[in-house]
Amino acid sequence: NAGVTQTPKFQVLKTGQSMTLQCAQDMNHNSMYWYRQDPGMGLRLIYYSASEGTTDKGEVPNGYNVSRLNKREFSLRLESAAPSQTSVYFCASSDASGRLGELFFGEGSRLTVL
Amino acid sequence: QQQVKQSPQSLIVQKGGISIINCAYENTAFDYFPWYQQFPGKGPALLIAIRPDVSEKKEGRFTISFNKSAKQFSLHIMDSQPGDSATYFCAASIGIGSQGNLIFGKGTKLSVKP
Repeated sequence: NAGVTQTPKFQVLKTGQSMTLQCAQDMNHNSMYWYRQDPGMGLRLIYYSASEGTTDKGEVPNGYNVSRLNKREFSLRLESAAPSQTSVYFCASSDASGRLGELFFGEGSRLTVL
Repeated sequence: QQQVKQSPQSLIVQKGGISIINCAYENTAFDYFPWYQQFPGKGPALLIAIRPDVSEKKEGRFTISFNKSAKQFSLHIMDSQPGDSATYFCAASIGIGSQGNLIFGKGTKLSVKP
């Protein structure tokens, strides 16, 4: 089973460039999430989608947009990248009927903004 | 009130020793407390979780202790092994967190020396 797949795994951008991080899950989960992980800051929620067709802001949504393309796919877009967005981005999915709402994470996308 | 405070930031333990990581919270409405384990280059994965109706939960060498009155919970790793070397995150939410309300601590990097 692939689980949660993120692309790309690594990306270097210049300030002001745009890009989209892609995420797909094959577990038929309803909920999907985008987190960023920075040293000493833990995991902070950017956006989430509780079900297909809905998206909501998390703790740190500024500078990002998301699209829940279908039940499987949830993309994160940076319209005008800034050095402060240098981070490791994790996509996750969950199903309320699973083990206590367990989050399944992808392996991450490491983004550097110069 | 939404924070989850985790300590220590880093921990070095000898093989066979006990690793203890502590977390504290303020929001008394939290009722779900998972721990996630993250190996380098990988996404976090659920290790063990507890509800406040029990004071302790054990799965193999991993035990969560929960003190509702003190608003604290901790992870104990018995007989720590080099393979346990990873970053550990505690978290808390109201319900199972499928609505994006899972709050993570900042993480503890555990190194188990052979």
